[in-house]
Amino acid sequence: GQSLEQPSEVTAVEGAIVQINCTYQTSGFYGLSWYQQHDGGAPTFLSYNGLDGLEETGRFSSFLSRSDSYGYLLLQELQMKDSASYFCAVRAPNQAGTALIFGKGTTLSVSS
Amino acid sequence: EPEVTQTPSHQVTQMGQEVILRCVPISNHLYFYWYRQILGQKVEFLVSFYNNEISEKSEIFDDQFSVERPDGSNFTLKIRSTKLEDSAMYFCASDGGSGAYNEQFFGPGTRLTVL
Repeated sequence: GQSLEQPSEVTAVEGAIVQINCTYQTSGFYGLSWYQQHDGGAPTFLSYNGLDGLEETGRFSSFLSRSDSYGYLLLQELQMKDSASYFCAVRAPNQAGTALIFGKGTTLSVSS
Repeated sequence: EPEVTQTPSHQVTQMGQEVILRCVPISNHLYFYWYRQILGQKVEFLVSFYNNEISEKSEIFDDQFSVERPDGSNFTLKIRSTKLEDSAMYFCASDGGSGAYNEQFFGPGTRLTVL
């Protein structure tokens, strides 16, 4: 089976940088995805790491270390609208039709 | 921009009743999924569907659940006899279009309330 651990809550102020860590245990190699969810709305894809290293998309970056079964999401120049829940999720890399297995989510609260 | 749509946005039903939740995946996608999220908890996988059959399902997806693609656009989740614990947000998702498999696109969800 698969399990993922991430912090339940993180708080920060506008303009700051925040890192949300995710460690996972899987029965095989899986890519790591990050999704954002506002107030129970649809999860929205942020990034995917299939290989080790850093992926950058604007203010958001994501990192994966397969040897450590660890990844993180880095949010820079935080804005109030970034207040949301952030989920890491695993699935077989580049393999369509496989389920996303989500972590319990990290609630990010950004204050002014 | 193409998007996954779901109807209804909110469904209220009595325990023991059957409900059908409807989804229209993105048109060129090949793989379809149902997930659920109980209030305040994580998103949980229910079932995936490809080529008109179930490709994977979780322990949650028991005999009370079924999925169907009745035509070329709709994808449905049926719960035969709802229980109180089925109250949750149900999300449909799709992917696999144009060889892009890394991102699953989620619909806005149906909030199911079982009384």
